[in-house]
Amino acid sequence: DGGITQSPKYLFRKEGQNVTLSCEQNLNHDAMYWYRQDPGQGLRLIYYSQIVNDFQKGDIAEGYSVSREKKESFPLTVTSAQKNPTAFYLCASKVAGAGLDNEQFFGPGTRLTVL
Amino acid sequence: RKEVEQDPGPFNVPEGATVAFNCTYSNSASQSFFWYRQDCRKEPKLLMSVYSSGNEDGRFTAQLNRASQYISLLIRDSKLSDSATYLCVVTFGTGGFKTIFGAGTRLFVKA
Repeated sequence: DGGITQSPKYLFRKEGQNVTLSCEQNLNHDAMYWYRQDPGQGLRLIYYSQIVNDFQKGDIAEGYSVSREKKESFPLTVTSAQKNPTAFYLCASKVAGAGLDNEQFFGPGTRLTVL
Repeated sequence: RKEVEQDPGPFNVPEGATVAFNCTYSNSASQSFFWYRQDCRKEPKLLMSVYSSGNEDGRFTAQLNRASQYISLLIRDSKLSDSATYLCVVTFGTGGFKTIFGAGTRLFVKA
């Protein structure tokens, strides 16, 4: 089945530790995105990538890093510099183009809790 | 002004009611428009795209007014299962890569 997978579903981290969230898609999509969602809030863009080996900062990139070495993979590292990392992290992907059939597809998300 | 604005609600309606959600966007160069649905503690899922001429999918109707930079979603004959948060989404930029999500409108349908 085609889709987007994120792992782990739940993640606990001690303060001061870096942690990497996985996102894999087998939809052959060009673009991939990382969002953060806090309780009762909307989605905020962290990073996005339009093509392999290229990515751009979103609205809240500080304290996060990404890589795009393969088309199907877009891991997100939450570094110790991120002061308030506890949140729901969502990965998404889409094909290139602005058509109405080019919506974003989301993975199931990772809930990160800093202890 | 936020790039995409929605009434946060919540909207509390009885089963069978008709409810309308509104969304405004600030970028006149916006290209594509969508409504997503997000259930509690789940990922957003596409509800419907919004066509320039308006479109309907069963009990759901979406409208776009480019002149006023306004999108709407109408839900008729509300069901308990319609309870969720509804997100307005706008894309723009070369290749449509830039996507802005509204903060969402919460809907509670009561028996």
